[in-house]
Amino acid sequence: AQTVTQSQPEMSVQEAETVTLSCTYDTSESDYYLFWYKQPPSRQMILVIRQEAYKQQNATENRFSVNFQKAAKSFSLKISDSQLGDAAMYFCAYSPAGSEKLVFGKGTKLTVNP
Amino acid sequence: GAGVSQSPSNKVTEKGKDVELRCDPISGHTALYWYRQSLGQGLEFLIYFQGNSAPDKSGLPSDRFSAERTGGSVSTLTIQRTQQEDSAVYLCASSLGLTDTQYFGPGTRLTVL
Repeated sequence: AQTVTQSQPEMSVQEAETVTLSCTYDTSESDYYLFWYKQPPSRQMILVIRQEAYKQQNATENRFSVNFQKAAKSFSLKISDSQLGDAAMYFCAYSPAGSEKLVFGKGTKLTVNP
Repeated sequence: GAGVSQSPSNKVTEKGKDVELRCDPISGHTALYWYRQSLGQGLEFLIYFQGNSAPDKSGLPSDRFSAERTGGSVSTLTIQRTQQEDSAVYLCASSLGLTDTQYFGPGTRLTVL
């Protein structure tokens, strides 16, 4: 079965500092997609970043970047220059290529301290 | 443009009643998905639609759950004879095509008393 594990239920970071959220996954597929979604208290799941497994280059979106290690099945999210608005639940998700569904981890609650 | 919208935002119902949850996807998105987010189970996939068709209903928790989509747009998730364990946030997402990035709505928080 495909599973996604986020080993850090909670993390905190000082404003302007850098934080890394961990995610590992288990799959026998060779082609798939990985995502990080952010869920603030408003409940709206917001896509932060997307990575195609066939791409070796790590995806980046402004202050957000990933460290994708395919052999280790690891997909961590790095948030640079953390801002108060980054405080939220962060979910790592996996989707096999050609599949219709996302498999989510349990989430990491990120607190940003001023 | 407008994102995915869901209604109602919150719903409180009594055990045994039926409820309908509505999802209005992003215009032009052909695929639509329902997920359930609960404290004990995290986020779980329920069902997806490609157009008006739902090829796989095996993710629905029980036969009290059903979903439909008409006109390739709005979808309704219906829960009959609600139980307390149905209490959760129900999230809807849509995507341009079946394997494209999914964009989520704000969810409906269902509380069954």
